[in-house]
Amino acid sequence: EDQVTQSPEALRLQEGESSSLNCSYTVSGLRGLFWYRQDPGKGPEFLFTLYSAGEEKEKERLKATLTKKESFLHITAPKPEDSATYLCAVHSLTGGGNKLTFGTGTQLKVEL
Amino acid sequence: ETGVTQTPRHLVMGMTNKKSLKCEQHLGHNAMYWYKQSAKKPLELMFVYSLEERVENNSVPSRFSPECPNSSHLFLHLHTLQPEDSALYLCASSQIITDTQYFGPGTRLTVL
Repeated sequence: EDQVTQSPEALRLQEGESSSLNCSYTVSGLRGLFWYRQDPGKGPEFLFTLYSAGEEKEKERLKATLTKKESFLHITAPKPEDSATYLCAVHSLTGGGNKLTFGTGTQLKVEL
Repeated sequence: ETGVTQTPRHLVMGMTNKKSLKCEQHLGHNAMYWYKQSAKKPLELMFVYSLEERVENNSVPSRFSPECPNSSHLFLHLHTLQPEDSALYLCASSQIITDTQYFGPGTRLTVL
């Protein structure tokens, strides 16, 4: 069974204090790893898809990387508006083509 | 309207009521999904439709009944729910069932 573990559960940063969120996964055959951002009371907003180890993608202050066992979401010089819950999910061969397995998320709070 | 929309955004119902949640996608996608999100738990996939045919039902109780009349609309019919069914219900769509999923804002359901 596919497993996705995100750490830390919660993270508090000062504005400008860079850090990384971790997503560890166990799957038989990775088809894709997805990062989403979710604000309270709203649906997840798509950020990145990564398909193979070594791949990196960037968007503004966010950079996602992928290895064979985990993915990192690096946040450089965060701002208060980056506060949200960040979700990681995997598509795998074992899970079929129609199922994402989600982690429980990292709740990020960026303070002034 | 753009993206994925859901109505209503909030719903309070008694255990004996019957209600329906509606989802509409304006992205031209062929696959649609229902998810349940409870506090401190990962998103749980409930139903998947591809080209208006149900392709997955994740052992969801029969008090939840999905309907997909066309590739743009998805409904979740609710009847005789339990208080533990209170959660955020999210709709998502993707071009094909292995592709990136885009989420709607969700319906916050409270069962009294």
